[in-house]
Amino acid sequence: AQSVSQHNHHVILSEAASLELGCNYSYGGTVNLFWYVQYPGQHLQLLLKYFSGDPLVKGIKGFEAEFIKSKFSFNLRKPSVQWSDTAEYFCAVRPNTGNQFYFGTGTSLTVIP
Amino acid sequence: EAGVTQFPSHSVIEKGQTVTLRCDPISGHDNLYWYRRVMGKEIKFLLHFVKESKQDESGMPNNRFLAERTGGTYSTLKVQPAELEDSGVYFCASSLFAGGSGPYNEQFFGPGTRLTVL
Repeated sequence: AQSVSQHNHHVILSEAASLELGCNYSYGGTVNLFWYVQYPGQHLQLLLKYFSGDPLVKGIKGFEAEFIKSKFSFNLRKPSVQWSDTAEYFCAVRPNTGNQFYFGTGTSLTVIP
Repeated sequence: EAGVTQFPSHSVIEKGQTVTLRCDPISGHDNLYWYRRVMGKEIKFLLHFVKESKQDESGMPNNRFLAERTGGTYSTLKVQPAELEDSGVYFCASSLFAGGSGPYNEQFFGPGTRLTVL
């Protein structure tokens, strides 16, 4: 069965620190990859997505993610976090044969001013 | 443009009662999805409508859950009778198209309905 693992459940960083959130998935076929963010009191929003091409994708608010096919990974990065990045981050995988998303358990990020 | 809306935002019911959740997708979006997140776990797919038809209901946990989308606009998800393990946040999402890699298949999520079964 397909699964998505986010190894960091809760991350606490100071402003200006660098961020990397891990995401690994298990699926043997071609996948589309996504990172969603949920700010406090708001709905899930798409941060970035990867379908094909350059494995380094850039999203909104300075976030980027790198797809490493050999490692089945799609880690999210940001060079310098801000207090406003405090949110919960979800990695999601969609096999390109279907429409169903498989989400990770989420990583709660707290940025201390 | 209005986003995906869900009603109610919170619902607290007792075990054995019935609850109906509603989702209004973005106007014109034929594809509507229901997801559920049990506390501390991943967001799990429940089902996918294309217009009024159930395209994929493989994630529905059991026959206590009934989803409908009459007329292909809003959708309801009824839980009857509710059990303790049904507690969680129920998300709805919609997209113009489904699958593929184009810009029109992005799923837009609603704020979720937090269901607590006591």
